[in-house]
Amino acid sequence: SQKIEQNSEALNIQEGKTATLTCNYTNYSPAYLQWYRQDPGRGPVFLLLIRENEKEKRKERLKVTFDTTLKQSLFHITASQPADSATYLCADSGNTGKLIFGQGTTLQVKP
Amino acid sequence: DAGVIQSPRHEVTEMGQEVTLRCKPISGHDYLFWYRQTMMRGLELLIYFNNNVPIDDSGMPEDRFSAKMPNASFSTLKIQPSEPRDSAVYFCASSLGTGGIPVQYFGPGTRLTVT
Repeated sequence: SQKIEQNSEALNIQEGKTATLTCNYTNYSPAYLQWYRQDPGRGPVFLLLIRENEKEKRKERLKVTFDTTLKQSLFHITASQPADSATYLCADSGNTGKLIFGQGTTLQVKP
Repeated sequence: DAGVIQSPRHEVTEMGQEVTLRCKPISGHDYLFWYRQTMMRGLELLIYFNNNVPIDDSGMPEDRFSAKMPNASFSTLKIQPSEPRDSAVYFCASSLGTGGIPVQYFGPGTRLTVT
Protein backbone atom coordinates (compact mmCIF):
# COMPACT_ATOMS: atom_id res chain seq x y z
CA SER A 1 0.00 0.00 0.00
CA GLN A 2 1.05 3.60 -0.54
CA LYS A 3 3.13 5.26 2.18
CA ILE A 4 4.04 8.90 2.37
CA GLU A 5 7.32 9.50 4.19
CA GLN A 6 8.50 12.79 5.59
CA ASN A 7 11.52 13.51 7.76
CA SER A 8 10.21 13.33 11.30
CA GLU A 9 13.13 15.32 12.69
CA ALA A 10 12.52 19.04 13.09
CA LEU A 11 14.18 21.38 10.64
CA ASN A 12 15.82 24.43 12.20
CA ILE A 13 16.94 27.27 9.97
CA GLN A 14 17.88 30.91 10.24
CA GLU A 15 15.52 33.65 9.15
CA GLY A 16 16.07 34.67 5.54
CA LYS A 17 17.33 31.26 4.44
CA THR A 18 15.48 28.82 2.19
CA ALA A 19 13.79 25.90 3.92
CA THR A 20 13.53 22.66 1.96
CA LEU A 21 11.24 19.85 3.11
CA THR A 22 11.13 16.40 1.56
CA CYS A 23 8.23 14.07 0.85
CA ASN A 24 8.80 10.57 -0.54
CA TYR A 25 6.18 8.09 -1.67
CA THR A 26 6.76 4.36 -1.81
CA ASN A 27 4.44 2.89 -4.38
CA TYR A 28 2.47 4.39 -7.23
CA SER A 29 2.85 7.95 -8.48
CA PRO A 30 0.06 10.08 -6.99
CA ALA A 31 -2.27 11.92 -9.35
CA TYR A 32 -1.73 14.93 -7.09
CA LEU A 33 0.53 15.74 -4.18
CA GLN A 34 -0.77 18.28 -1.74
CA TRP A 35 1.04 20.27 0.93
CA TYR A 36 -0.65 21.49 4.10
CA ARG A 37 0.49 23.65 6.98
CA GLN A 38 -0.53 22.88 10.56
CA ASP A 39 -0.08 25.24 13.49
CA PRO A 40 -0.29 23.98 17.10
CA GLY A 41 -3.88 23.50 18.21
CA ARG A 42 -5.30 23.97 14.73
CA GLY A 43 -6.34 21.87 11.78
CA PRO A 44 -4.18 21.56 8.66
CA VAL A 45 -4.55 24.30 6.05
CA PHE A 46 -4.06 23.67 2.34
CA LEU A 47 -1.08 25.42 0.73
CA LEU A 48 -0.25 24.00 -2.67
CA LEU A 49 -1.08 21.16 -5.00
CA ILE A 50 1.07 19.73 -7.78
CA ARG A 51 -0.13 17.35 -10.46
CA GLU A 52 1.74 14.26 -11.59
CA ASN A 53 2.57 15.84 -14.97
CA GLU A 54 3.85 19.09 -13.47
CA LYS A 55 7.46 19.52 -12.46
CA GLU A 56 7.14 22.70 -10.45
CA LYS A 57 4.49 24.96 -8.90
CA ARG A 58 4.94 28.34 -7.22
CA LYS A 59 2.89 30.54 -4.95
CA GLU A 60 4.54 33.66 -3.54
CA ARG A 61 7.52 32.44 -1.47
CA LEU A 62 6.51 28.79 -1.79
CA LYS A 63 7.68 26.34 -4.43
CA VAL A 64 6.85 22.67 -4.85
CA THR A 65 8.57 20.22 -7.18
CA PHE A 66 7.52 16.72 -8.20
CA ASP A 67 10.05 14.15 -9.43
CA THR A 68 8.35 10.89 -10.44
CA THR A 69 11.73 9.23 -11.10
CA LEU A 70 12.89 9.82 -7.55
CA LYS A 71 9.34 9.35 -6.17
CA GLN A 72 9.78 12.61 -4.35
CA SER A 73 8.32 16.05 -3.85
CA LEU A 74 10.30 18.96 -2.42
CA PHE A 75 8.69 21.93 -0.70
CA HIS A 76 10.69 25.15 -0.54
CA ILE A 77 10.07 28.33 1.44
CA THR A 78 12.34 31.14 0.30
CA ALA A 79 13.29 34.09 2.49
CA SER A 80 11.90 32.23 5.50
CA GLN A 81 10.40 34.12 8.42
CA PRO A 82 9.69 33.14 12.04
CA ALA A 83 5.98 33.18 11.09
CA ASP A 84 6.68 30.25 8.76
CA SER A 85 7.39 28.04 11.80
CA ALA A 86 4.83 25.23 11.73
CA THR A 87 4.41 21.58 10.80
CA TYR A 88 4.16 20.89 7.09
CA LEU A 89 2.27 17.84 5.87
CA CYS A 90 2.51 16.17 2.50
CA ALA A 91 -0.45 14.14 1.20
CA ASP A 92 -1.11 11.83 -1.70
CA SER A 93 -4.48 12.37 -3.35
CA GLY A 94 -5.89 10.31 -6.17
CA ASN A 95 -9.25 10.26 -7.83
CA THR A 96 -11.15 8.93 -4.85
CA GLY A 97 -11.03 12.19 -2.92
CA LYS A 98 -9.17 10.44 -0.11
CA LEU A 99 -5.81 11.74 1.18
CA ILE A 100 -2.92 9.74 2.58
CA PHE A 101 -0.84 12.00 4.84
CA GLY A 102 2.79 11.80 5.85
CA GLN A 103 3.81 12.32 9.47
CA GLY A 104 4.77 15.92 8.82
CA THR A 105 7.99 17.86 9.30
CA THR A 106 8.22 20.62 11.90
CA LEU A 107 10.00 23.74 10.71
CA GLN A 108 11.47 26.21 13.17
CA VAL A 109 12.72 29.51 11.76
CA LYS A 110 14.94 31.41 14.17
CA PRO A 111 15.26 35.19 14.05
CA ASP B 1 -18.71 30.70 4.90
CA ALA B 2 -17.70 29.90 8.47
CA GLY B 3 -15.61 26.92 7.45
CA VAL B 4 -15.88 23.46 8.95
CA ILE B 5 -17.37 23.60 12.42
CA GLN B 6 -16.66 21.02 15.11
CA SER B 7 -18.00 20.63 18.59
CA PRO B 8 -17.06 20.32 21.31
CA ARG B 9 -13.53 21.74 21.08
CA HIS B 10 -12.45 19.87 24.18
CA GLU B 11 -13.92 16.78 25.80
CA VAL B 12 -12.76 15.09 28.98
CA THR B 13 -14.51 11.89 29.92
CA GLU B 14 -14.01 8.80 32.00
CA MET B 15 -13.26 5.41 30.60
CA GLY B 16 -16.41 3.53 29.64
CA GLN B 17 -18.46 6.62 28.84
CA GLU B 18 -19.99 7.37 25.47
CA VAL B 19 -18.49 10.25 23.51
CA THR B 20 -20.12 12.00 20.55
CA LEU B 21 -18.19 14.40 18.33
CA ARG B 22 -20.02 16.63 15.90
CA CYS B 23 -19.17 18.21 12.58
CA LYS B 24 -20.80 20.66 10.19
CA PRO B 25 -19.04 20.66 6.79
CA ILE B 26 -18.74 23.60 4.42
CA SER B 27 -22.01 24.13 2.59
CA GLY B 28 -21.98 22.55 -0.86
CA HIS B 29 -19.13 20.15 -0.17
CA ASP B 30 -19.91 16.55 -1.06
CA TYR B 31 -17.14 14.75 0.82
CA LEU B 32 -16.70 14.54 4.58
CA PHE B 33 -13.75 12.97 6.38
CA TRP B 34 -13.02 12.05 9.99
CA TYR B 35 -9.37 11.89 11.09
CA ARG B 36 -7.59 11.15 14.33
CA GLN B 37 -4.21 12.70 15.15
CA THR B 38 -1.72 11.52 17.75
CA MET B 39 2.00 12.12 18.18
CA MET B 40 2.74 8.45 17.63
CA ARG B 41 0.60 7.76 14.56
CA GLY B 42 0.18 11.16 12.96
CA LEU B 43 -2.99 11.99 11.03
CA GLU B 44 -5.04 8.87 10.35
CA LEU B 45 -8.17 8.70 8.21
CA LEU B 46 -10.95 6.94 10.08
CA ILE B 47 -13.87 7.12 7.65
CA TYR B 48 -15.15 9.24 4.80
CA PHE B 49 -18.51 9.93 3.22
CA ASN B 50 -19.54 11.00 -0.26
CA ASN B 51 -23.01 12.52 -0.59
CA ASN B 52 -23.81 11.32 2.95
CA VAL B 53 -22.94 7.69 2.15
CA PRO B 54 -19.99 6.02 3.94
CA ILE B 55 -17.42 5.04 1.32
CA ASP B 56 -14.46 3.72 3.27
CA ASP B 57 -14.48 2.91 6.98
CA SER B 58 -11.37 0.74 6.93
CA GLY B 59 -9.60 3.16 9.25
CA MET B 60 -12.15 2.82 12.05
CA PRO B 61 -10.12 1.11 14.78
CA GLU B 62 -12.82 -1.18 16.12
CA ASP B 63 -16.52 -1.64 16.68
CA ARG B 64 -16.52 0.88 19.50
CA PHE B 65 -16.29 3.59 16.83
CA SER B 66 -19.23 4.53 14.63
CA ALA B 67 -19.97 7.47 12.34
CA LYS B 68 -23.13 8.77 10.75
CA MET B 69 -24.05 11.46 8.28
CA PRO B 70 -27.84 11.88 8.39
CA ASN B 71 -27.78 14.86 6.02
CA ALA B 72 -25.39 17.00 4.00
CA SER B 73 -24.79 19.46 6.82
CA PHE B 74 -24.14 17.24 9.81
CA SER B 75 -22.04 14.26 10.86
CA THR B 76 -21.24 12.54 14.15
CA LEU B 77 -18.44 10.30 15.33
CA LYS B 78 -19.34 8.20 18.35
CA ILE B 79 -17.10 6.18 20.64
CA GLN B 80 -18.85 3.75 22.97
CA PRO B 81 -17.38 2.74 25.34
CA SER B 82 -14.40 5.10 25.39
CA GLU B 83 -10.93 3.97 26.49
CA PRO B 84 -7.79 5.95 27.48
CA ARG B 85 -6.09 4.96 24.21
CA ASP B 86 -8.79 6.88 22.33
CA SER B 87 -7.29 10.12 23.64
CA ALA B 88 -6.33 12.17 20.58
CA VAL B 89 -7.35 15.17 18.50
CA TYR B 90 -10.20 14.32 16.13
CA PHE B 91 -10.54 16.38 12.97
CA CYS B 92 -13.38 16.66 10.54
CA ALA B 93 -12.67 17.85 7.00
CA SER B 94 -14.77 18.45 3.92
CA SER B 95 -14.06 18.84 0.24
CA LEU B 96 -15.72 19.41 -3.10
CA GLY B 97 -14.58 16.25 -4.81
CA THR B 98 -16.98 15.86 -7.67
CA GLY B 99 -15.50 17.47 -10.75
CA GLY B 100 -12.98 19.41 -8.72
CA ILE B 101 -9.57 19.06 -7.15
CA PRO B 102 -9.88 17.24 -3.81
CA VAL B 103 -8.47 19.92 -1.51
CA GLN B 104 -9.65 19.31 2.02
CA TYR B 105 -10.76 21.98 4.48
CA PHE B 106 -10.25 21.02 8.10
CA GLY B 107 -12.13 22.03 11.19
CA PRO B 108 -10.39 23.16 14.39
CA GLY B 109 -10.52 19.68 15.89
CA THR B 110 -11.87 18.17 19.10
CA ARG B 111 -9.28 17.31 21.73
CA LEU B 112 -10.51 14.18 23.51
CA THR B 113 -9.06 13.06 26.82
CA VAL B 114 -10.26 9.77 28.30
CA THR B 115 -9.19 9.19 31.90
